Amino acid sequence: GENVEQHPSTLSVQEGDSAVIKCTYSDSASNYFPWYKQELGKGPQLIIDIRSNVGEKKDQRIAVTLNKTAKHFSLHITETQPEDSAVYFCAASKPSGGSNYKLTFGKGTLLTVNP
Amino acid sequence: GAGVSQSPSNKVTEKGKDVELRCDPISGHTALYWYRQSLGQGLEFLIYFQGNSAPDKSGLPSDRFSAERTGGSVSTLTIQRTQQEDSAVYLCASSLMYEQYFGPGTRLTVT
Repeated sequence: GENVEQHPSTLSVQEGDSAVIKCTYSDSASNYFPWYKQELGKGPQLIIDIRSNVGEKKDQRIAVTLNKTAKHFSLHITETQPEDSAVYFCAASKPSGGSNYKLTFGKGTLLTVNP
Repeated sequence: GAGVSQSPSNKVTEKGKDVELRCDPISGHTALYWYRQSLGQGLEFLIYFQGNSAPDKSGLPSDRFSAERTGGSVSTLTIQRTQQEDSAVYLCASSLMYEQYFGPGTRLTVT
């Protein structure tokens, strides 16, 4: 089955700096790659996603890049703010019968933005 | 609009008891997923519903786990004869196509 590796497990940056989180996946059939932000005591919140027909996608301070050949994708957060502090998860998915897009998650990255 | 809701938010139960966890998906979302989040295993897929049927149950860890969905809406995850290793946060997500939106989860503690 699919395996998703995520690095680093923890990341500490100064406010205003950029943060980059990287993930690799094993199944070349995967074609959908979302990123989730999870704050303490809450469920994961979808922040951005990318499909395999696109190499890069941006939404304000957040961007995701995908390299299908190398099977890796990355999350880039620019101008970080203290409220960006949370655990970030990458995930990969492929159609598994009908509309089944069950997600395989990375282990998460604890991002701390220091004021 | 309303998001995915789950109840209860916390559940403490004794080993051997049965528990039921409830998920109310976003209105109109035909797909519903259950995941489990634990310190040791991270976020793991349990079961997928399309409408009221569950074509993918491949993530259920044992036959003590079952789930149903009625009216294409509310879903219930049932764990029978709970064990300490069942302690985790159980998350529900709903979707129309690719994007899955998660509820706040139910934290289950088995004592």
